[in-house]
Amino acid sequence: AQKITQTQPGMFVQEKEAVTLDCTYDTSDPSYGLFWYKQPSSGEMIFLIYQGSYDQQNATEGRYSLNFQKARKSANLVISASQLGDSAMYFCAMLSSASKIIFGSGTRLSIRP
Amino acid sequence: DAGVTQSPTHLIKTRGQQVTLRCSPKSGHDTVSWYQQALGQGPQFIFQYYEEEERQRGNFPDRFSGHQFPNYSSELNVNALLLGDSALYLCASRDRVVAGELFFGEGSRLTVL
Repeated sequence: AQKITQTQPGMFVQEKEAVTLDCTYDTSDPSYGLFWYKQPSSGEMIFLIYQGSYDQQNATEGRYSLNFQKARKSANLVISASQLGDSAMYFCAMLSSASKIIFGSGTRLSIRP
Repeated sequence: DAGVTQSPTHLIKTRGQQVTLRCSPKSGHDTVSWYQQALGQGPQFIFQYYEEEERQRGNFPDRFSGHQFPNYSSELNVNALLLGDSALYLCASRDRVVAGELFFGEGSRLTVL
């Protein structure tokens, strides 16, 4: 069975510090994709970053980077120099080769000024 | 270039009624998927459409049905509404042959009384 696990229900981080949000996954598919989304209180799901299972390098998008460790089946999101506007729910998701998309339970990130 | 658009943004129904939610995908995208997000939880995959047919389905009863039109837009229908159907319904679109793209609309918030 395919599964996404986010073990941190909530995190508090000081502004300007870096933060790592954990995500582990379970799949037997050789080909899959991993996504991170930010969901502010408005509800919109904002795409942050994507990593394909065959990508050799870790994905980066501005202040976001994905620490992809395939053997450990982890895909942690790193946010550098956190800002107050980063306060939101963050979801890790996986697109399987069967084209089903599953989400983790999310991590609520709160940035302290 | 418009992103994924959903309508209506909010609606209130009573138990037993039926509801139709609508989604227009991002330009160039041919695949639409629907998700149910209950308060405080991650999105749950309902189903995915491409080439006007349901291709993958999550663990949802037959009361949940959908449709995709030739212009790739999609509808989600829920019959015989239950109180537990109250949730944010999210639509996402992607191009099946392009990895790394899965964009969401702002969602339709359904309240069942």
